[in-house]
Amino acid sequence: EAQVTQNPRYLITVTGKKLTVTCSQNMNHEYMSWYRQDPGLGLRQIYYSMNVEVTDKGDVPEGYKVSRKEKRNFPLILESPSPNQTSLYFCASSSALVETQYFGPGTRLLVL
Amino acid sequence: AQSVTQPDIHITVSEGASLELRCNYSYGATPYLFWYVQSPGQGLQLLLKYFSGDTLVQGIKGFEAEFKRSQSSFNLRKPSVHWSDAAEYFCAVARGSTLGRLYFGRGTQLTVWP
Repeated sequence: EAQVTQNPRYLITVTGKKLTVTCSQNMNHEYMSWYRQDPGLGLRQIYYSMNVEVTDKGDVPEGYKVSRKEKRNFPLILESPSPNQTSLYFCASSSALVETQYFGPGTRLLVL
Repeated sequence: AQSVTQPDIHITVSEGASLELRCNYSYGATPYLFWYVQSPGQGLQLLLKYFSGDTLVQGIKGFEAEFKRSQSSFNLRKPSVHWSDAAEYFCAVARGSTLGRLYFGRGTQLTVWP
């Protein structure tokens, strides 16, 4: 089944404790992206990747890192999480830059 | 600056009534336009998209949208709403100059009364 998976689905952590949210897709898509969703703000793009080793910033990259060492994986790294990074995070992938994006189920993060 | 505006935060309609959700964008050239739907606790699913050609596009679940260049709009419509359409709807825009960037509106929450 074609899908985008994210882990963990739910995470509670404390300020400053490094964490990684994994994202994996099995559709051989070149393009992957991370978004955060906050009430009343819609989705905002954090980072995107056009292929292996090619990444670029979105609207809200501060406090986040990404890497794309393999085509199927695009982890999101929070080196020192802060409470304002409490949010719902979505990973997405698509076969081309301007094409239907397939979204993962989301990761709900709470930073205390 | 906000690239996509969804003026209605919340819309309530009766089941069987028609629906129109508004979306306006700010971009000089023709953008790439999308409508996504998010059911409670779920990820986003594409309803339809417009890249070029016929300005009236058909999507899944009986939805359609019309691109109007003169009004910078891409409104979503459905002739008869079903209770299962209750969800949050997002309009999104990609620009030709920065194809990797996708800009979402803030969403419209749809409530359907039985």
